[in-house]
Amino acid sequence: EIVLTQSPVTLSLSPGERATLSCRARESVTTYLDWYQQKPGQTPRLLIYDASHRATGIPARFSGSGSGTDFTLTISSLEPEDFAVYYCQQRSNWPLTFGGGTKVEIK
Amino acid sequence: QAHLVESGGGVVQPGRSLRLSCAASGFTFSNYAMHWVRQAPGKGLEWVAVISYDGSDKYYADSVKGRFTISRDNSKNTLSLQMNSLRPDDTGVYYCARAEAVRAVLVSWGQGTPVTVSS
Repeated sequence: EIVLTQSPVTLSLSPGERATLSCRARESVTTYLDWYQQKPGQTPRLLIYDASHRATGIPARFSGSGSGTDFTLTISSLEPEDFAVYYCQQRSNWPLTFGGGTKVEIK
Repeated sequence: QAHLVESGGGVVQPGRSLRLSCAASGFTFSNYAMHWVRQAPGKGLEWVAVISYDGSDKYYADSVKGRFTISRDNSKNTLSLQMNSLRPDDTGVYYCARAEAVRAVLVSWGQGTPVTVSS
């Protein structure tokens, strides 16, 4: 199976700062890579699909980039509601796999 | 507006069985692939299984293959997950989610149903 490694595990930042989250795949997933946000007690929400396309209703401060094995989710200026856990997921190969998550916490 | 409601979760002893359901509304259920994803307490997301729009294709995570069976009833807009030989590490919240196809993005998720496997 394709292992996805997310880094850092925890990111401590202040509102207004830029957040850069990494997702690395053990082998190429081309651009079949999505990002989800999950807040405590809530269901996951799709942010980015196919590595760089924002899902419907997602603010422009969220952007995704990358292809092959290295991907990045960037939040240009953190809003209070952005403090959450973020997961990447690959859809290139079976079984589908998720990364372990990055928690973005308030510094 | 897609609406997915899971049910059937509960507390069950190791080795026993449980059947989860996901009731779909607000979209044409028979046009979409459906997934199950789970989350152990305090842990990350783990994909479990997917079924194609017509039930002809099914894929499973290695951790559940041979024990879990995904199925659907398009006449009742219902997705199911039959879980047999349950183990403590099957404990978690089980979400259903819809996608355009078996390998398409998971665009809508239910609120989840909790499963606890414990003696």
